[in-house]
Amino acid sequence: GDSVTQTEGLVTLTEGLPVMLNCTYQSTYSPFLFWYVQHLNEAPKLLLKSFTDNKRPEHQGFHATLHKSSSSFHLQKSSAQLSDSALYYCALSALNTGKLIFGLGTTLQVQP
Amino acid sequence: GPKVLQIPSHQIIDMGQMVTLNCDPVSNHLYFYWYKQILGQQMEFLVNFYNGKVMEKSKLFKDQFSVERPDGSYFTLKIQPTALEDSAVYFCASSRTDEQYFGPGTRLTVL
Repeated sequence: GDSVTQTEGLVTLTEGLPVMLNCTYQSTYSPFLFWYVQHLNEAPKLLLKSFTDNKRPEHQGFHATLHKSSSSFHLQKSSAQLSDSALYYCALSALNTGKLIFGLGTTLQVQP
Repeated sequence: GPKVLQIPSHQIIDMGQMVTLNCDPVSNHLYFYWYKQILGQQMEFLVNFYNGKVMEKSKLFKDQFSVERPDGSYFTLKIQPTALEDSAVYFCASSRTDEQYFGPGTRLTVL
């Protein structure tokens, strides 16, 4: 069945350094990929989603590129900010059924 | 942006009791979802609902679970009777298209 893998449970880095959170997936179909961000005690919010025309989505300085050849949708940002500290989920939606399949999530801790 | 509300934020009940979790979705959304997240594990899809009907449910959606949206108001998840393994955070989501908006979750503890 479909699955999403996020290999890092916790990423800690210093403010100003680049961010890369890994996401790979398995799917029989060509799914849509999403990144959700969840700050402490808040609801998960959509950060990015993949486009059908392979444009690179960007939001709040974050971007991600869907690579079908490697089944990846890594999240990147050139310079981390303290406010980026949160839990990040990668998810996929296949077959237009609407249901999202989530990875375990990666906690990003940005230190001064 | 659009907000999904969930009531209550926490619920503690004894095993075997009934519980109803309430979700107030975004007003013009048509698709509704419940997800379950056990501590330390990933969020897992339970069920989705459209036009008054369940569209798809996962194997986690046991016979003791039911969903409804009476009178177009709250979207509810009812568990009757509850079991210890139902302890988790339950997230509601709603959408018009493929962008799902999530609520903050209800933490359910079954004793």
